[in-house]
Amino acid sequence: GAVVSQHPSRVICKSGTSVKIECRSLDFQATTMFWYRQFPKQSLMLMATSNEGSKATYEQGVEKDKFLINHASLTLSTLTVTSAHPEDSSFYICSARDPGRDVTDTQYFGPGTRLTVL
Amino acid sequence: GNSVTQMEGPVTLSEEAFLTINCTYTATGYPSLFWYVQYPGEGLQLLLKATKADDKGSNKGFEATYRKETTSFHLEKGSVQVSDSAVYFCALRGSARQLTFGSGTQLTVLP
Repeated sequence: GAVVSQHPSRVICKSGTSVKIECRSLDFQATTMFWYRQFPKQSLMLMATSNEGSKATYEQGVEKDKFLINHASLTLSTLTVTSAHPEDSSFYICSARDPGRDVTDTQYFGPGTRLTVL
Repeated sequence: GNSVTQMEGPVTLSEEAFLTINCTYTATGYPSLFWYVQYPGEGLQLLLKATKADDKGSNKGFEATYRKETTSFHLEKGSVQVSDSAVYFCALRGSARQLTFGSGTQLTVLP
């Protein structure tokens, strides 16, 4: 149980285009989802927290107009990288939690999406 | 704010060697502590966790004890296997319910 999927797993796009990444909780309802960015050989940096049906909360330094997050249902959150540039190339990871499922409030992580912007 | 300091890698061990990866933290209140593992090409998987002082988390032969007096949560395994090769992340969750990660430690186990 507690499976989180991401799609696509890899995407290559041209500079200036927009890319959408989906994060789905497959067997539980995720009231909260998180989006992280991981640079090579570095740790995960939290970008934003999204609660179903409300606007995402972005971490300091993350451009909300560039990284659009939508959490329209209890099982789906999307991250759209708008007008992507090579410096946006990274590994994007989502996680989800359902406090009703796990009283210790564990986050379950997706497998990540490798974005390469040419 | 919260922070996690993790032993820098990479760490290279022979199969059946003893493993310790150090992790210390700074946080207000009473955080929950986690170890996550990331195998090559995969996402993070929860390895073990501890939610209060003196708790011991364990899974797949790995153990870590929540030591409030030393603010530590060191990961240990008595006999590592080649299949344990991965990146290990120490993390804490504070009152804001967000995870703060350490920098990760690359472990390579040689046959």
